[in-house]
Amino acid sequence: ETGVTQTPRHLVMGMTNKKSLKCEQHLGHNAMYWYKQSAKKPLELMFVYNFKEQTENNSVPSRFSPECPNSSHLFLHLHTLQPEDSALYLCASSQEWLAGGRRNEQFFGPGTRLTVL
Amino acid sequence: DAKTTQPTSMDCAEGRAANLPCNHSTISGNEYVYWYRQIHSQGPQYIIHGLKNNETNEMASLIITEDRKSSTLILPHATLRDTAVYYCIVREDNFNKFYFGSGTKLNVKP
Repeated sequence: ETGVTQTPRHLVMGMTNKKSLKCEQHLGHNAMYWYKQSAKKPLELMFVYNFKEQTENNSVPSRFSPECPNSSHLFLHLHTLQPEDSALYLCASSQEWLAGGRRNEQFFGPGTRLTVL
Repeated sequence: DAKTTQPTSMDCAEGRAANLPCNHSTISGNEYVYWYRQIHSQGPQYIIHGLKNNETNEMASLIITEDRKSSTLILPHATLRDTAVYYCIVREDNFNKFYFGSGTKLNVKP
């Protein structure tokens, strides 16, 4: 138990569906992240939120839409996905300092296994 | 972030020390070395990190060479539960983004 929870753990959706992945962190952190891990590929950083502001969009297609309503919650809204979007989607959080200082490690949730049919 | 190079896989006998190497020859002065591991289909788990001094915690030890161009993660007494993919990552102090490579698949055998 890392203090980062993700729901649902498994999701099967059609290409025309709209669904959302939810992440919640109970660690009091101020930064949250979405990663994608496709089969036999390294983790890919998708989005970074610092203090609820998106600071990184790593060339992610617009069919993935993140939302960070507060520092404890992060959503990934999905629409018109493709079969190649099937992957493990991981959420992480960390406590980041404003400027300089020691950066802390990221804590990962268990992931959502997404299958797009 | 500096690129890291790790062996694709390694075997280790249960109860023995596992030494996982990582090369990061282009590391810059303000980049930290982090190690994570990922057990099959779970989220990555933080192990340890360091800048230039050797570090030890309850999970592992991190040995960084004096020129900082390589490091070694040491699991002192590997167990079957340590079977996982181990990632070596270098990260600039001012940026909170991790870039994971392919890692080393450690197989701990009875």
